Amino acid sequence: EVQLLDSGGGLVQPGGSLRLSCAASGFTFSSYAMSWVRQAPGKGLEWVSAISGSGGSTFYADSVRGRFTISRDNSENTLHLQMNSLRADDTAVYYCAKEVRELAFDHWGQGTPVTVSS
Amino acid sequence: QSALTQPRSVSGSPGQSVTISCIGTSSDVGAYNYVSWYQHHPGKAPRLMIYDVGRRPSGVPDRFSGSKSGNTASLTISGLQAEDEAHYYCCSYAANYVFGTGTKVTVL
Repeated sequence: EVQLLDSGGGLVQPGGSLRLSCAASGFTFSSYAMSWVRQAPGKGLEWVSAISGSGGSTFYADSVRGRFTISRDNSENTLHLQMNSLRADDTAVYYCAKEVRELAFDHWGQGTPVTVSS
Repeated sequence: QSALTQPRSVSGSPGQSVTISCIGTSSDVGAYNYVSWYQHHPGKAPRLMIYDVGRRPSGVPDRFSGSKSGNTASLTISGLQAEDEAHYYCCSYAANYVFGTGTKVTVL
């Protein structure tokens, strides 16, 4: 059974940093690209970042490029999102998601909440 | 990249059909058949309902169907059931992923 367990969210001040993690199990982690998707309060889903199975290619939404860094440790079956220079509009629930070859997300984590506030 | 446009809400009685539209552009929905749909209940993880415009993952009831015409994709729920009440999001791949604005489906 595929499982994705998000963690690392919390309360942080504007300008601060936070590192999210997603522990994966139940599939060959290194064979699949992974993404982070977020949902701000009262808003819809927003794709944030993606990384290829090998980790050699990374992609970012314009809203986070230069501030967020996605990475993965295939030996530990773990996905990360390093978030720097956080702003109030980064406040959201962050989900990790497993991508399939048909460019969709077939499994999601339960989400970890991030609040950026002074 | 701008979010795809969905109606804010749709509603129907049990057993009826509802259709949710997802309007994009010739650079996203119109350019690729990589359109997917997600069901999202508050506080839960989103669930993949449709991928590749009209394909259903195993376990998704055949009451859910997807289609596309030009720059507009659609999700139809036939034989609406109480448990279908949720938010639904379309998503298209266009160099990167772009989600729709989301539609609240209410079962009357």
